[in-house]
Amino acid sequence: SQQGEEDPQALSIQEGENATMNCSYKTSINNLQWYRQNSGRGLVHLILIRSNEREKHSGRLRVTLDTSKKSSSLLITASRAADTASYFCATDRSGNTPLVFGKGTRLSVIA
Amino acid sequence: GAVVSQHPSWVICKSGTSVKIECRSLDFQATTMFWYRQFPKQSLMLMATSNEGSKATYEQGVEKDKFLINHASLTLSTLTVTSAHPEDSSFYICSRDLLAGGYEQYFGPGTRLTVT
Repeated sequence: SQQGEEDPQALSIQEGENATMNCSYKTSINNLQWYRQNSGRGLVHLILIRSNEREKHSGRLRVTLDTSKKSSSLLITASRAADTASYFCATDRSGNTPLVFGKGTRLSVIA
Repeated sequence: GAVVSQHPSWVICKSGTSVKIECRSLDFQATTMFWYRQFPKQSLMLMATSNEGSKATYEQGVEKDKFLINHASLTLSTLTVTSAHPEDSSFYICSRDLLAGGYEQYFGPGTRLTVT
């Protein structure tokens, strides 16, 4: 069964704006990851945040994790048209791969 | 460059035939690889864990006799969809760990299967 649930399901913004996607999960985790998928392609790992971390940055990406609320957010700043893709959060299962994926957020960045 | 490849990238087959999809780890010997299925605008659903030299571990609800997995070498896992039906049409993606014991996954580019 799916662990993560992202919202919104779809997000459309103008280039240059920030995009925020949220993910909630149900059980205890060791880490949470975010992946990106371009249409009809495989997934690309973006960032991993461990359960003892609260915030992590990578370039224009900022991820937060609130284990008390079992939620995470992915912020993409200064979005570009090339950021258009689906974004998935994924959690481990009892400390082991494979991952359990959320339903994803489809982001459209309009130039 | 890509570290996990899949072949073919897309395939169309007739109902009742079998289709084999290959997943290769290009730069790392992977004792474990994973197969996912993704329907349009849906998330990835784990089908099975492919274990080199032993039987695959299938997720609940996945028919092991229909989706045959063979992990005959440390760099190759294959998924064979037997007696394919139109409802098997989907996007099949494989992955492996970034590093042994690591959490991040490298994904293949996926295979689009269409059963007519």
